[in-house]
Amino acid sequence: TQLLEQSPQFLSIQEGENLTVYCNSSSVFSSLQWYRQEPGEGPVLLVTVVTGGEVKKLKRLTFQFGDARKDSSLHITAAQPGDTGLYLCAVHDYSGGGADGLTFGKGTHLIIQP
Amino acid sequence: DAGVTQSPTHLIKTRGQQVTLRCSPKSGHDTVSWYQQALGQGPQFIFQYYEEEERQRGNFPDRFSGHQFPNYSSELNVNALLLGDSALYLCASSLDFSGPGANVLTFGAGSRLTVL
Repeated sequence: TQLLEQSPQFLSIQEGENLTVYCNSSSVFSSLQWYRQEPGEGPVLLVTVVTGGEVKKLKRLTFQFGDARKDSSLHITAAQPGDTGLYLCAVHDYSGGGADGLTFGKGTHLIIQP
Repeated sequence: DAGVTQSPTHLIKTRGQQVTLRCSPKSGHDTVSWYQQALGQGPQFIFQYYEEEERQRGNFPDRFSGHQFPNYSSELNVNALLLGDSALYLCASSLDFSGPGANVLTFGAGSRLTVL
């Protein structure tokens, strides 16, 4: 069972459209991170959300942490081809007693067509 | 300011062989983590090194081992390669401290391993 379920798995839309991708879990987290990974590159941190209900904006990207700190969403307004990439959510999994390794979801593969 | 550098970028091995991947952390970082990313999947945590010791390990067999050197650089070794070990191996560095900004990872571009 995946700790983090991301949906949709794949999304292809036209430039200028809006979209939302989701990261869900049955567990509660103290924080959650979103990364974007482009082909041939490593993941790059976009944002960390910490407080339940928190909303953070990064230009056209809006991130929200669920009130119960079990889920998160990423909304992109007026998508551009440069937004193309693999969007990953990640948390620190304390279940094994450690606090250092990140657990990632499988990601949403986003393609923005010009 | 150089980020995380990994070598080699691509390599091909055959089943049963051994491989060593190398990582230089971002300047100022003292902690190195390794992740395996299969095609189309999210990265999976292998282990983390701090002060030249393995501090935490994910669900990977003993065929996967590592080392951290006094200059904080690190190596990942995989013995007795299997076809399923084909993946992108990512190194991430961070600074070990508590408080705001802690646990922020900087990833390298990865080493793409193909096992035939």
